[in-house]
Formats: sequence, structure tokens, C-alpha cells
Amino acid sequence: AQSVTQPDIHITVSEGASLELRCNYSYGATPYLFWYVQSPGQGLQLLLKYFSGDTLVQGIKGFEAEFKRSQSSFNLRKPSVHWSDAAEYFCAVGAYQAGTALIFGKGTTLSVSS
Amino acid sequence: DAGVTQSPTHLIKTRGQQVTLRCSPKSGHDTVSWYQQALGQGPQFIFQYYEEEERQRGNFPDRFSGHQFPNYSSELNVNALLLGDSALYLCASSPFTKTVRVGEGAFFGQGTRLTVV
Repeated sequence: AQSVTQPDIHITVSEGASLELRCNYSYGATPYLFWYVQSPGQGLQLLLKYFSGDTLVQGIKGFEAEFKRSQSSFNLRKPSVHWSDAAEYFCAVGAYQAGTALIFGKGTTLSVSS
Repeated sequence: DAGVTQSPTHLIKTRGQQVTLRCSPKSGHDTVSWYQQALGQGPQFIFQYYEEEERQRGNFPDRFSGHQFPNYSSELNVNALLLGDSALYLCASSPFTKTVRVGEGAFFGQGTRLTVV
């Protein structure tokens, strides 16, 4: 079955510390992977995506993610977290066809402590 | 360039009523997908419209229906509302055609918060 697992429901990180959010997927076809961020009461903003090529992708707001096919993972990282990064983060997988349905994980809530 | 716009932003309905939510896709996008996001959950795919036809459908009952207009905008209709339909409804647009811009994923609107009482 196609699925996305985000093992960490809630993570708290000190401001300035590094961050890694985990994402594992199960998908029959070649996966195309996304990370979205959602602030309270808001829609989803695309942080970064992976379609092919270099397995380390850079996104907005200083985020990056690494695709590891052997581990079926697509973990999100940031070297130094800012208080404004506190939000809900969703990993999603889909097929190449643009517009295809995305399968989302349940999300990880990031809190940032001062 | 306006992104994906949804209306209304908030809505309160009574059980058994019907509701219509609206979405205008990002400029240049011709495919609209709808997602339901229950509190504390990730978005779940409802259905997708392209060329005014439903192309894919998730695991949602027939009470959920939709429509796409020639200008690519879309409506989501939910009949016989249940308390469990209370959620944030998200619209996402993307390009579908063969001229797809590689690397462009789905862009989401701010959502409509539906509360069923």
C-alpha cells in the first residue's frame, strides 16, 4: 500500500539548533517527494520537492532534504532553526504525472524554544 | 500572480445541510484537486478535476461531488453534512498537460474551515 510515515508527532528544538524531520514512504512507482509547511489556520506552503537527479535538494527558508532510495526516506533538515520555523510539517509522495493525488503523512509539529 | 484562492474562508453548517466550496487555481494551472484535512491529521485526497471531468477519486462517499468550469475554477459540494465532515478543505492546483513544468508540484490555497454543528 502507498503510504507516508512521519515517525515524530512532535519535536521541540532550541532556537539556533539543527533540525531533522523524518519521513519514510512506501510507493509502487518512482516516487516524487515533497515537503510542505503549514502555519496555524493556514494552507500548505511548498518547501521543496524531489523529482530526479541530485538526491540533496535545497528549498526555501534554508531547508534541505535528502532522498535515500535504499532507505525509502526523504528527511528534512535545517542547520539553524529560527523561532518563525515553528509550524506543522508534512511530507508527501506522488507519481510523476503533474496533478496526481498526493499522499501525505500525518505531520510533525515543530516547536522552537528560546 | 495570484496563487490559489478559496472561498469562503470559514463556514458553519448544520447537520444534514449541503455546502459548496469554491476554488480558483493558480494562473497557468489547469488541474484542481481537493483535500480534506481533519484536525491533527494530514490532508486526504478527495478528487481531482481536469478538462471539466473527475479524473481521480479518493476514498470518499458520493456525498462529496465536484465540478470544474471552463476557466479551470472548481467547486466542491458536500450533501447531507455529518459532524465528521468538519475539517479544513484545501484546494490544490497544478499543471497537467504534456508541457508540464518539470519540478512544479501542487500549490495549495489557504483552505476553507468547515464546521458542522
